[in-house]
Amino acid sequence: DQQVKQNSPSLSVQEGRISILNCDYTNSMFDYFLWYKKYPAEGPTFLISISSIKDKNEDGRFTVFLNKSAKHLSLHIVPSQPGDSAVYFCAASGRGGTSYGKLTFGQGTILTVHP
Amino acid sequence: ETGVTQSPTHLIKTRGQQVTLRCSSQSGHNTVSWYQQALGQGPQFIFQYYREEENGRGNFPPRFSGLQFPNYSSELNVNALELDDSALYLCASSLGSQNTEAFFGQGTRLTVV
Repeated sequence: DQQVKQNSPSLSVQEGRISILNCDYTNSMFDYFLWYKKYPAEGPTFLISISSIKDKNEDGRFTVFLNKSAKHLSLHIVPSQPGDSAVYFCAASGRGGTSYGKLTFGQGTILTVHP
Repeated sequence: ETGVTQSPTHLIKTRGQQVTLRCSSQSGHNTVSWYQQALGQGPQFIFQYYREEENGRGNFPPRFSGLQFPNYSSELNVNALELDDSALYLCASSLGSQNTEAFFGQGTRLTVV
């Protein structure tokens, strides 16, 4: 039962253009969403997060959009840089019950930014 | 401020053996969570320790167990290793149990042969 899904295994973008990574979730108890970036041989690095009371959060080149009715979030990277090439994971967290204290991750999307 | 560190970085064990993985949490963090990441998958939650007590567990059998020490460092123990336990094991620390901004270590790559 995949509660967080990243349906695109990979994405290829030209340097300077926008990268859009998508994530869908099924569990209505999720109320906090995070994006992590992972380079080979390193642990995931926190990128940006959003609470369910917001629909947008921005941090420099990174913006996360949340559509609660569609249970969908997306990460926009503008402009994309070659150093952004990595695996991007979407994660969700809920409060209460079995979701408490647990991050549920998607399968990841490999982003490649070409110079 | 030191980050999350895990040891060892790589490990090879034989099926049926037991293994202990270690994690030092980031300075000031009182919560440690453990995740298993199989090849090509996202990390899967094993369990969380908050102030030395287990605070939530994922869908893993009892042969996966853990500890958290007074300095908030943590151990993950796996008994009776199976081939499918081969994975990257990640430790994440956070302040409080909400995991709102969990910081990950570099992971321990476990291979069971």
